[in-house]
Amino acid sequence: QSVVTQPPSLSAAPGQKVTISCSGTSSDIGNNYVAWYQQLPGTAPKLLISENNKRASGIPDRFSGSKSGTSATLGITGLQTGDEADYYCGTWDSNLRAAVFGGGTKLTVL
Amino acid sequence: EVHLGESGGGLVQPGGSLRLSCAASGFTFNFYAMSWVRQAPGKGLEWVAGLSGGGGTTYYTDSVKGRFTISRNNSRNMMYLQMDSLRAEDTAVYYCARVPNAGFFPLFDSWGQGIVVTVST
Repeated sequence: QSVVTQPPSLSAAPGQKVTISCSGTSSDIGNNYVAWYQQLPGTAPKLLISENNKRASGIPDRFSGSKSGTSATLGITGLQTGDEADYYCGTWDSNLRAAVFGGGTKLTVL
Repeated sequence: EVHLGESGGGLVQPGGSLRLSCAASGFTFNFYAMSWVRQAPGKGLEWVAGLSGGGGTTYYTDSVKGRFTISRNNSRNMMYLQMDSLRAEDTAVYYCARVPNAGFFPLFDSWGQGIVVTVST
């Protein structure tokens, strides 16, 4: 069973920078692209980052993605209260032949 | 404008069946792979199933293999999820989602609003 791991929660002050990690293995993140999503309460997820580091259409450059080995990271700079949401990474698991999401990270902007 | 809309959710007893539908508009449907993603109450996202633009290739998460069937009707711009032998743990909001051109699972650039499925007595 694939387990892609994210920290359950993070908090930071407005204006600061935060990084959200996504840790996997060679069968998932290590050999496949990673996507990142933002989910505001009560809404469908929204694509932020595709193919490890490509910002989706309309996403500000405050959001960035990177990948190294079996881990990926979402960075958000200049935090705003509107960034308070759940964030998910997702990738393909080559062994399971299935897509997998991380458990999600709840970001609080205090 | 791309639009995805789910229907067919509701309350069903354990062991029962339900068929979800996803109506697509605003794009050339048969060009795009599609998927179903679910979210149990208070939980994270879980990819359920996906299929290619032509519908000939399908993928499932282990927990639904043999119980759920994903399909599409490209002439009607519709995708379906036939859910049989439903269990309490299948209770969730179910989203349909589109994979962009040259994309991959679970890269989804458009999502429906979601439909609630409740499995309970």
